[in-house]
Amino acid sequence: KNQVEQSPQSLIILEGKNCTLQCNYTVSPFSNLRWYKQDTGRGPVSLTIMTFSENTKSNGRYTATLDADTKQSSLHITASQLSDSASYICVVRGMDSSYKLIFGSGTRLLVRP
Amino acid sequence: GAGVSQSPSNKVTEKGKDVELRCDPISGHTALYWYRQSLGQGLEFLIYFQGNSAPDKSGLPSDRFSAERTGGSVSTLTIQRTQQEDSAVYLCASSYRGGGLETQYFGPGTRLLVL
Repeated sequence: KNQVEQSPQSLIILEGKNCTLQCNYTVSPFSNLRWYKQDTGRGPVSLTIMTFSENTKSNGRYTATLDADTKQSSLHITASQLSDSASYICVVRGMDSSYKLIFGSGTRLLVRP
Repeated sequence: GAGVSQSPSNKVTEKGKDVELRCDPISGHTALYWYRQSLGQGLEFLIYFQGNSAPDKSGLPSDRFSAERTGGSVSTLTIQRTQQEDSAVYLCASSYRGGGLETQYFGPGTRLLVL
């Protein structure tokens, strides 16, 4: 079973609308959770990183939330732009490794004009 | 400054041939990682370098896969006797020292297609 599950698998929204992407993880013990944005044909780029003690973190129009008790995270995108079209990947690091990351399979977001 | 670069960007090879993929990390980054991304799948960890040493090779799928790093900088991932299931995007990332809260900076990847 994948230790990091994301939903939905894909999403289409109109430009200017908001959306929320979900991530559930079973990695335990847990150290930190990251959200990455991956444009087509590019490597992932870090958006946010949160430790277990943080509940929310923002990066411009991106806001990530974390509930370490329920092992859930969300990424909220406000006032979407065409350039937000990409895959958004939830990534978790457990306590057992300082470097090994566990990746979700991503949510593919398409923003239409 | 320059980010992580990888070459070639695309590689098409015949089954059974060997391929070599190259990664140039960000200057000064001691930690380097190789990942594989198959279609519709999450990134899969392959190997971690700290300097020229590889303390964790646990993700290499078989003994056909090997990697080395020289001068604490450039790394090459070699796949011998390629198989069709090796077709994927191979991503390299680097970080400053490999610490738990460090951001890993990714290269654009090498898209490998084995015919």
